[in-house]
Amino acid sequence: RKEVEQDPGPFNVPEGATVAFNCTYSNSASQSFFWYRQDCRKEPKLLMSVYSSGNEDGRFTAQLNRASQYISLLIRDSKLSDSATYLCVVLWNYGGSQGNLIFGKGTKLSVKP
Amino acid sequence: GAVVSQHPSWVICKSGTSVKIECRSLDFQATTMFWYRQFPKQSLMLMATSNEGSKATYEQGVEKDKFLINHASLTLSTLTVTSAHPEDSSFYICSARDAGYEQYFGPGTRLTVT
Repeated sequence: RKEVEQDPGPFNVPEGATVAFNCTYSNSASQSFFWYRQDCRKEPKLLMSVYSSGNEDGRFTAQLNRASQYISLLIRDSKLSDSATYLCVVLWNYGGSQGNLIFGKGTKLSVKP
Repeated sequence: GAVVSQHPSWVICKSGTSVKIECRSLDFQATTMFWYRQFPKQSLMLMATSNEGSKATYEQGVEKDKFLINHASLTLSTLTVTSAHPEDSSFYICSARDAGYEQYFGPGTRLTVT
C-alpha cells in the first residue's frame, strides 16, 4: 500500500469553480500534515499546514480526519494562477529522528478561462 | 523567508561522468539537509538525510557509493552522482531544515545524462 495516496487528476475546471482534492495516508503515527504546491519544473512550495480542527487561508481550506487517515484541500473561486500540482505531504517521526516528509504523487489542477 | 539555493539549475553530462550538485542555505544554518529525486509524474522520493559533520543516512534502495553526499558545513551540502547513466536523469531537489524544524526547498537541479 502506498504511503500517501492522491488522485493524480488532472482536474480541469473553469475559473471561479470550487475544487476539492483528497488524500489518504497509511501510517497512523504520522504527526504533521501539509499541502504543497508544485509548478511545472519547479520545487514544491508550502501552501498550508493541515490541522485536526481544520484551517482556512483565504480561498483555501484544509481538513484532517485522523480516524480515517484522510486529508482534504478545498479551493474556492479558482483562479488561472491556481493551475499547478498539489502535493499531499505527511511528516513521519521515527527512530528518534526529527522526521521525514513523505510526498504523495500530487494532483494536477488546470484552471481554464 | 529562508532561501535555499542549488547549483547548477540544470546539467547535461555524458554517461560515465560524475556530476556534483551544490545546495546552500543562504540566510540560516541548516542542521539537517535532505536530498530528493523526482522522476516525471512521480512523487518526490527522499534519497538521503545528512547532518553537518556526520555521514548521510540513505534511504533503502539508494546506493551510497553512487550518490555521494558531503555536508561539510551548516550552510552547504553537496550531492555527487558518480558514473552517471541515463537512468539517473531526474530532477534533484535539496531541502534544508532550520533549528525550528521548518524545511525549505531549493529550486532543483535537472540532470540529463546522455
